[in-house]
Amino acid sequence: QSALTQPASVSGSPGQSITVSCTGTTSDVGGYDYVSWYQQHPGRAPKLLIYDVTYRPSGVSDRFSGSKSGNTASLTISGLQAEDEADYYCSSYTSSGTDVVFGGGTKLTVL
Amino acid sequence: QVQLQESGPGLVKPSETLSLTCTVSGGSISGYYRSWIRQPPGKGLEWIGHMYYSGSTNYNPSLKGRVTISVDTSKNQFFLKLTSVTAADAAVYYCARPPLGATYFDHWGQGALVTVSS
Repeated sequence: QSALTQPASVSGSPGQSITVSCTGTTSDVGGYDYVSWYQQHPGRAPKLLIYDVTYRPSGVSDRFSGSKSGNTASLTISGLQAEDEADYYCSSYTSSGTDVVFGGGTKLTVL
Repeated sequence: QVQLQESGPGLVKPSETLSLTCTVSGGSISGYYRSWIRQPPGKGLEWIGHMYYSGSTNYNPSLKGRVTISVDTSKNQFFLKLTSVTAADAAVYYCARPPLGATYFDHWGQGALVTVSS
């Protein structure tokens, strides 16, 4: 199955807000409210940031928020901090045979 | 606190079988999906497949029938086998346990790097 489409990179300055997009189809992002987002620092396992489009697991900062419109989901990070510099991946349930599809990942640089 | 730990050979020869074990502590794997995800060096995440709590499985079709996920609930372990490996299978392999009935991953192992080389 095709991966979800994310920008390869985004950047922002400390204190700013940035948004990472994740575009799929009606078989995944657009068809179900089962989008999740992960943060991955180099050499570390991914960490769940957002699930079911908008929900944050306990312990995740409220600077991270998720939304969805049509076939595109978005992750917004507000009050950007140096420690937010990492790779970010979206994922969705998909009805196209497999259960899970990931985005290609977005590298966030904090300037 | 649920913890997952991958183990297995870090080096596999081309055409041979990659075998990894995921040991779960601090919680049960019974009643949960058991999932494997991999990440080639410098690349993104790829879902390999999972075993449902019923014991049935669903695999990424890109792996073309080479993958098997199995479980030993008595040992709280599940397993990955990938046959006929090539250099393209070199990756960090993660095991993960989603919440009950979910397809997102809140618990991950630390990852096991597998190199494919003769």
